[in-house]
Formats: sequence, C-alpha cells, structure tokens
Amino acid sequence: NAGVTQTPKFHILKIGQSMTLQCTQDMNHNYMYWYRQDPGMGLKLIYYSVGAGITDKGEVPNGYNVSRSTTEDFPLRLELAAPSQTSVYFCASSYSRGSTRTGELFFGEGSRLTVL
Amino acid sequence: TQLLEQSPQFLSIQEGENLTVYCNSSSVFSSLQWYRQEPGEGPVLLVTVVTGGEVKKLKRLTFQFGDARKDSSLHITAAQPGDTGLYLCAGAEDTNAGKSTFGDGTTLTVKP
Repeated sequence: NAGVTQTPKFHILKIGQSMTLQCTQDMNHNYMYWYRQDPGMGLKLIYYSVGAGITDKGEVPNGYNVSRSTTEDFPLRLELAAPSQTSVYFCASSYSRGSTRTGELFFGEGSRLTVL
Repeated sequence: TQLLEQSPQFLSIQEGENLTVYCNSSSVFSSLQWYRQEPGEGPVLLVTVVTGGEVKKLKRLTFQFGDARKDSSLHITAAQPGDTGLYLCAGAEDTNAGKSTFGDGTTLTVKP
C-alpha cells in the first residue's frame, strides 16, 4: 500500500535555483497539504488544496507555489531558492466523512532539502 | 492564527515511569489529533478526539479532550524505550476547511 509518496527524499539546491517536490497519493483523498518542519519544531502549513483545481495559502506560502491538476498529485514548486528554505518538507492528505473533514492526516516520508 | 501550545517541550524519563503531555489552545477545535514521529519519518496518526470530555485509550496511552474542546492531554503508563519519539498534537477546524494547526511537539526519550 503506497499511501502518500514524495520524491525526492533528499536534495541539495544552490541559492537562486528552482525545483519541484513531487507528491502523489493513491487513497482518493480530496484534501492535500504541504508542510515544512524545521529542526525540533512542529509543522508549518505552506499550501493546501481541498480538491483538484483548488489551492490556497497556509501560514508560510512565500517563496512557494503549488498546483492541483488531478486528485492524486500535488507538486510544490520552490522558486529562487534561499537558505531559509532549508527544511524537511512533508506532503499529507486527508479525507472527509460526508461533508465533515476528519482532520486525520496521512503523511509521506518527507523530502529533506538543503539550500547552499 | 490559532495556536497550540504543547508542554513540556522535552521529556527524558526512565523505563517504567508514567508521563503526561499537554496541548493547550485558546481556540475551539472540531477535532484534535495526536501524532507520533520518529527520526527521518513522517508523523503517524495515533488518535482523533472529537467530543468534549472524550477519553480514548490505546494500550498504555490515554488521550483526553477537554470539556470545552480547547485542550488535550496524552498520558503514557509504564513508558518503554519504544515510546521514544516526537509527539505532536494538531487541531482541525471545520469552519476553516482544509487547515490543521500543529503544536511544536514534545520530544520524549525513554531510557532503558
């Protein structure tokens, strides 16, 4: 059972470069999220999506972009990478029971990004 | 922005001891989740609490949701080294569809 799959697991980026972190889920979940986690800290929401074609900003969206063309995929784009974007990035998905969000998140294994 | 405060931030105990971790907010959540995260991995859901005053047990772990749905606690009985990890609470709101707010976590170390 794949669940939420993220690639790459590790990447080193130079300042000013751009890259895309990939995320795909096979659970047919409507909701998808990107979080970043800095050392010893909790998770900060970057962007989220409540369904294909719909995205919205979280707490820390600056420097990032997302798209949601399908239910399964939710890539995160970093434009003009900066050292402050060095972090571990987690993609997650969630589902609803009827019209009610469960709030239960299923996470990928993370993508560790270093910007030098 | 809703905030969730977890305490303590770090906890180091001996195997067999009991412990409680707290998660507090000034906001009301429609549900609250507890996750456990091991190094190099993503958080894994432990439990969801929905009803004020609700108590759920998962083997040696007991979770409680406050009556006002603003706070929660996690109690571990007779901790084992396998309980070591980062424990995160997260609050979900139905009125702000799609967003869950996370606490900064409690890092638990259980020494054999």
